[in-house]
Amino acid sequence: SQTIHQWPATLVQPVGSPLSLECTVEGTSNPNLYWYRQAAGRGLQLLFYSVGIGQISSEVPQNLSASRPQDRQFILSSKKLLLSDSGFYLCAWSVLGTGNEQFFGPGTRLTVL
Amino acid sequence: EDQVTQSPEALRLQEGESSSLNCSYTVSGLRGLFWYRQDPGKGPEFLFTLYSAGEEKEKERLKATLTKKESFLHITAPKPEDSATYLCAVQGSGGSYIPTFGRGTSLIVHP
Repeated sequence: SQTIHQWPATLVQPVGSPLSLECTVEGTSNPNLYWYRQAAGRGLQLLFYSVGIGQISSEVPQNLSASRPQDRQFILSSKKLLLSDSGFYLCAWSVLGTGNEQFFGPGTRLTVL
Repeated sequence: EDQVTQSPEALRLQEGESSSLNCSYTVSGLRGLFWYRQDPGKGPEFLFTLYSAGEEKEKERLKATLTKKESFLHITAPKPEDSATYLCAVQGSGGSYIPTFGRGTSLIVHP
């Protein structure tokens, strides 16, 4: 069976500090991978998605970046965090192609102070 | 552009009081409509995928239905453990792999 891991589960960082969130998927190959942010009381905002190693598409301009160094690894990074980066970050995967449901990780709660 | 509107935003039910959540959508060529359940502080959990009008799927007390313009999530005799936010998403034939999510319906079931 497939599983998706995210870490850390919670993170408190000062403004201006760097960020690295990691997501790994087990039990599948060539997945589509996604990073979302969910602010309190708001919907899911897609940040990045990837259809293969080294292939990253950005949905919103911001100070965040993503990388996919391996088939089942997806990393969200920032060089300098802003207060507005606080939120609940979710990684998800789906089978390559369209019409396929997404499976979400447990999420990372990021608080920038 | 694909659009998804969920209603109501919040719903309070008594245990055993059946009801329905609505997901209205606009999409160019539906590839799939998805329902998820999200508990506080956790990632969304996949429930159902519907592909064409008239399709229905069931899981325990939940039943999802689909027309050409909307989907309903029917909750029969809900229990307090059904309390969660329910999210709807659609994927169209626009050529990307990106579903469009609604803002969700927050359901609270009182014992």
